[in-house]
Amino acid sequence: SQQGEEDPQALSIQEGENATMNCSYKTSINNLQWYRQNSGRGLVHLILIRSNEREKHSGRLRVTLDTSKKSSSLLITASRAADTASYFCATSGTGGGNKLTFGTGTQLKVEL
Amino acid sequence: DGGITQSPKYLFRKEGQNVTLSCEQNLNHDAMYWYRQDPGQGLRLIYYSQIVNDFQKGDIAEGYSVSREKKESFPLTVTSAQKNPTAFYLCASSKESGVRDTEAFFGQGTRLTVV
Repeated sequence: SQQGEEDPQALSIQEGENATMNCSYKTSINNLQWYRQNSGRGLVHLILIRSNEREKHSGRLRVTLDTSKKSSSLLITASRAADTASYFCATSGTGGGNKLTFGTGTQLKVEL
Repeated sequence: DGGITQSPKYLFRKEGQNVTLSCEQNLNHDAMYWYRQDPGQGLRLIYYSQIVNDFQKGDIAEGYSVSREKKESFPLTVTSAQKNPTAFYLCASSKESGVRDTEAFFGQGTRLTVV
């Protein structure tokens, strides 16, 4: 079963605007990760946030984690057309190993 | 260049045939994974291996088989028992053995179509 559910399923914004996507999960985690996928390609890792962290930044990316609500958000600031892609959250559970469970993804389209 | 290589990029299979998807990594990673992605969906775990000569079933292992005879290689066989094999297959690897918070590295995928 899918661990993460993402919201919204699709998002369309203008270049320069901020994009926010949310992820909810069901069980305890070691960490939560965000990945990006261009159409028909493999996934690329963006950022990892540990279960004891609340916020993390990387360039134009800002991730928050609320373990009490079992939710995370990814904010992309000052979006560019090149940010157009699908974005997935993935959780690593507490059961050992680094097996990831992926959400259903948010399709982001950034228009010029 | 270090990375994960999947081949072929596109694969066509007749109903009733077994096919094998290749996945090779030169990142010296212990763990390797196979995921399936259907249109507009997230990734679902088929099989994973944390060490050579050992592998475990994921959430949707039925109709698939794997082997891990070498650290670098984790081939996936889609058998005729898999009722709906048309999908995009992604291989990934990650560090293991005590490295808890680590990212996964993905190949570029194999698109399998049953004709």
